[in-house]
Amino acid sequence: GENVEQHPSTLSVQEGDSAVIKCTYSDSASNYFPWYKQELGKRPQLIIDIRSNVGEKKDQRIAVTLNKTAKHFSLHITETQPEDSAVYFCAATLGGTASKLTFGTGTRLQVTL
Amino acid sequence: EAGVAQSPRYKIIEKRQSVAFWCNPISGHATLYWYQQILGQGPKLLIQFQNNGVVDDSQLPKDRFSAERLKGVDSTLKIQPAKLEDSAVYLCASSLGDRWYNEQFFGPGTRLTVL
Repeated sequence: GENVEQHPSTLSVQEGDSAVIKCTYSDSASNYFPWYKQELGKRPQLIIDIRSNVGEKKDQRIAVTLNKTAKHFSLHITETQPEDSAVYFCAATLGGTASKLTFGTGTRLQVTL
Repeated sequence: EAGVAQSPRYKIIEKRQSVAFWCNPISGHATLYWYQQILGQGPKLLIQFQNNGVVDDSQLPKDRFSAERLKGVDSTLKIQPAKLEDSAVYLCASSLGDRWYNEQFFGPGTRLTVL
């Protein structure tokens, strides 16, 4: 089955700096890669996603890049703000009718003032 | 629109006891998922329903876990008997369909502590 590794496990940045979280996946057939944000004690929420036929996608301060050859994808957050502090999970799925998500282990992002 | 509802929010039991969790998905969502999230880890899919049929239960410990989705709406997840390692947050999620582009919406979760 699919295996997703995520690094780093914790990340501390100063407000205004950029943050990058990286994930690798094992199944070359995976073709959909969402990112979820989970604030303390709250439910995971989808923040951005990317399909395998796209190399990069941006949404305001967040962007995701995908390298299919290397089987890794990354989340980039620019101009970080305190409200960006949360745990971020990457995930991968084979797509099609298979919507089963395999999640990474999470990155705890702390944005300090 | 109303989100995914789960109850109870917290549950503390002793090992070997039984426990049940309830999930009410977003209205009209055909696909329902149960995930187990152990502290410090990402959610792990336990079971996926499409309407009232099971699509994937390959990671469900069937000797102690069971789940049903009668009438294709609400769902219950049961653990009997519970073990210490079952301590986790149990998340229910739903989506309109089972395609990759159908966003999964998560409920607030049930935090289970097994003593």
